[in-house]
Amino acid sequence: IAGITQAPTSQILAAGRRMTLRCTQDMRHNAMYWYRQDLGLGLRLIHYSNTAGTTGKGEVPDGYSVSRANTDDFPLTLASAVPSQTSVYFCASSDSPSGAYNEQFFGPGTRLTVL
Amino acid sequence: GQNIDQPTEMTATEGAIVQINCTYQTSGFNGLFWYQQHAGEAPTFLSYNVLDGLEEKGRFSSFLSRSKGYSYLLLKELQMKDSASYLCAVVDNDYKLSFGAGTTVTVRA
Repeated sequence: IAGITQAPTSQILAAGRRMTLRCTQDMRHNAMYWYRQDLGLGLRLIHYSNTAGTTGKGEVPDGYSVSRANTDDFPLTLASAVPSQTSVYFCASSDSPSGAYNEQFFGPGTRLTVL
Repeated sequence: GQNIDQPTEMTATEGAIVQINCTYQTSGFNGLFWYQQHAGEAPTFLSYNVLDGLEEKGRFSSFLSRSKGYSYLLLKELQMKDSASYLCAVVDNDYKLSFGAGTTVTVRA
């Protein structure tokens, strides 16, 4: 089934630990995105990648890093997790990074709790 | 920065009509999306507006006024399965999406 997968589905993590959230899409989309969703704040962009080999910072990039070695994969790494990074993380992709009609397709999300 | 406002919650009766308003002040405008998100699930695409006017798609319609920085999503003939959060998102100058906090719609029998 075409789409976006994320792993793990959920994770409880001790503060200070390193964690990588995985995201894979099979739609050959050029652009990929990482958002966090917190109650009352909506979806906020963490990092994005317009095409393989390039990445950019979103609205809330501190404490997170990404890489885009190929078209399909876009992992998000928390180098040293803190409790304020407790959130639901969504990966998304779109065919074109620019142009007005830029429908994004979302993965199922990863629920992360940092204690 | 981006400022996108929508009501936090709305409640309506099955079979009724509900209108969810969204006002925005953003750095540029390249279109507006509405997404639906059921609890515990991913957002899914509902509609896209880039020109002023009404776009109709079955029971759902979306309206845009660029001069007023205003959009609404109209849900007609409400069904229980329409209970969800509805997210307004604006495409800014960098073609990135800025999301409102979402409106939770509860449909009652």
